[in-house]
Amino acid sequence: DIQMTQSPSSLSASVGDRVTITCRASQGITNSLAWYQQKPGKAPKLLLYAASRLESGVPSRFSGSGSGTDYTLTISSLQPEDFATYYCQQSYSNPFTFGPGTKVDIK
Amino acid sequence: EVELLESGGGSVQPGGSLRLSCAASGFTFSSYAMSWVRQAPGKGLEWVSTISGSGGDTYYADSVKGRFTISRDNSKNTLYLQMNSLRAEDTAIYYCPKGAYNSPYFFDHWGQGTLVTVSS
Repeated sequence: DIQMTQSPSSLSASVGDRVTITCRASQGITNSLAWYQQKPGKAPKLLLYAASRLESGVPSRFSGSGSGTDYTLTISSLQPEDFATYYCQQSYSNPFTFGPGTKVDIK
Repeated sequence: EVELLESGGGSVQPGGSLRLSCAASGFTFSSYAMSWVRQAPGKGLEWVSTISGSGGDTYYADSVKGRFTISRDNSKNTLYLQMNSLRAEDTAIYYCPKGAYNSPYFFDHWGQGTLVTVSS
């Protein structure tokens, strides 16, 4: 099974900050990586897929990069509505594991 | 507009059974893989199971294999999860996300979930 890790597990940031979250797979996943945002009491929302492709309707301040085992989600200028928990997920092989999440809260 | 509405959650004793349903609308249901993903209270997301659009292929997490069965009725645009031999650790919100058009294994639309509580 492919294990997914994320760092940091949480971070505090201010509106306007640039935020980067890292996701690492235990083996190469050839860009088969998605990022989701989840707000309290709500379902997850797809942000990016194939590591760097922005889902329709998602603001362009969200971007993704990476290859092999290491991937990043960047929010270029944090907005009030971006305070949430972010999960990565590999779609390369069964079981289709999620990372443990990164909680972004207000500094 | 894609809509996914989970139902069937509730409280059940350990060892009991429950069947979850997910009513889908706003897309050609039979053309897309569907999945179940769960989230224990205060915890992260856990993929549970995926079924292909035709229903011919199914995949399960080891934690539920042999106890849970995913199925679908494409004539009713409905996804199911039959859960047997339930354990306390199955307590979670269960979501039925839709597979994306270019990969069945990540999820572009989610329902609001249904809560399953396994407790004596």
